Amino acid sequence: DVKVTQSSRYLVKRTGEKVFLECVQDMDHENMFWYRQDPGLGLRLIYFSYDVKMKEKGDIPEGYSVSREKKERFSLILESASTNQTSMYLCASYRAERGNTIYFGEGSWLTVV
Amino acid sequence: DAKTTQPNSMESNEEEPVHLPCNHSTISGTDYIHWYRQLPSQGPEYVIHGLTSNVNNRMASLAIAEDRKSSTLILHRATLRDAAVYYCILRDAGGTSYGKLTFGQGTILTVHP
Repeated sequence: DVKVTQSSRYLVKRTGEKVFLECVQDMDHENMFWYRQDPGLGLRLIYFSYDVKMKEKGDIPEGYSVSREKKERFSLILESASTNQTSMYLCASYRAERGNTIYFGEGSWLTVV
Repeated sequence: DAKTTQPNSMESNEEEPVHLPCNHSTISGTDYIHWYRQLPSQGPEYVIHGLTSNVNNRMASLAIAEDRKSSTLILHRATLRDAAVYYCILRDAGGTSYGKLTFGQGTILTVHP
């Protein structure tokens, strides 16, 4: 089975802490994404990457950075967590060919207190 | 970026067919239409996708308008397990935004026993 794995399902962090959310896919996909999902706002794109060391800002990149040192791993970094970053974070990936299925992780629930 | 518009919510009775509409009037010629659904506390899962022709799989059918400006996801016999948020999305496959995925609000499907 194809798989997108998010390292942490539930995290509680303090304001100002540095937070790493890890995502690993085992399908050799070029494209990887980070979204956040909030009630009433749907899925909003934070960053995406179409190749190793390549990244592009999504719709809401402020307060976040990303790292893609290896093809299978895409990390989302909150340099200094704030309470308004409390959310559910979703990672997704797919192969860079037209029409291919997109695979999602199970989500990481982050609470910043 | 091409956008999609879906009704906020729909209701159905168990064992009845459900037609979930999606408008995408700004779709480009190479955009694939994807449908995903999300159960509570889970990441979205793939349902079906297509380009121009109607598509069928074991989960659902996808009917695409001749002008491709709209599509309909058809669940032939709704079950309680089909209650979820359904997202219609377009694969943005052009220019510098290749690979970017944009989600709309989705349709909350309620299935009554």
